[in-house]
Amino acid sequence: DTAVSQTPKYLVTQMGNDKSIKCEQNLGHDTMYWYKQDSKKFLKIMFSYNNKELIINETVPNRFSPKSPDKAHLNLHINSLELGDSAVYFCASSQWGNTEAFFGQGTRLTVV
Amino acid sequence: AQSVTQPDIHITVSEGASLELRCNYSYGATPYLFWYVQSPGQGLQLLLKYFSGDTLVQGIKGFEAEFKRSQSSFNLRKPSVHWSDAAEYFCAVDRDDKIIFGKGTRLHILP
Repeated sequence: DTAVSQTPKYLVTQMGNDKSIKCEQNLGHDTMYWYKQDSKKFLKIMFSYNNKELIINETVPNRFSPKSPDKAHLNLHINSLELGDSAVYFCASSQWGNTEAFFGQGTRLTVV
Repeated sequence: AQSVTQPDIHITVSEGASLELRCNYSYGATPYLFWYVQSPGQGLQLLLKYFSGDTLVQGIKGFEAEFKRSQSSFNLRKPSVHWSDAAEYFCAVDRDDKIIFGKGTRLHILP
């Protein structure tokens, strides 16, 4: 049973396109996150949601829009993709107040 | 600025040798501390965590880490590495309900 699952695992797309990455967790957690891992392996938080409400919004271009239809899902939509958006995006979840986070397998996004 | 520092970008050890990966944090209070491992093509897996209490914590896969407040360090250790330990290791701290990661240490294992 996959605790945190992301789809797709790989995504190759052209500049200017709009794409979405989906994330679902079956752990019953109330908090979900998106992290970006760049080519140098540096992990940086982008967003976090608690009970479907945006809690953390780091300095991220507004082309990135997270959407949380319910506590178990946090999708990431990216408009007008740019070359610099190429990275691995990780979804994670935790229970508020318990900082142990569980991560998905990552989505490797390549913009060409 | 509050940060997590992993001073070694790459570390190479022989299989069966002992391992220590360094991590230092810069934070006003004692944070929650974590070590994650990322194997090639895999997501991040939690190895161990420190919240409070005993400063030597045991994790999965035979790893342990020691929290030293005086040195602001949380170094990861393993007495004898296996080829399957080759991976990227991330130290992390909890700050304001988000996890801040170090830049990672790539571990290479020599046969």
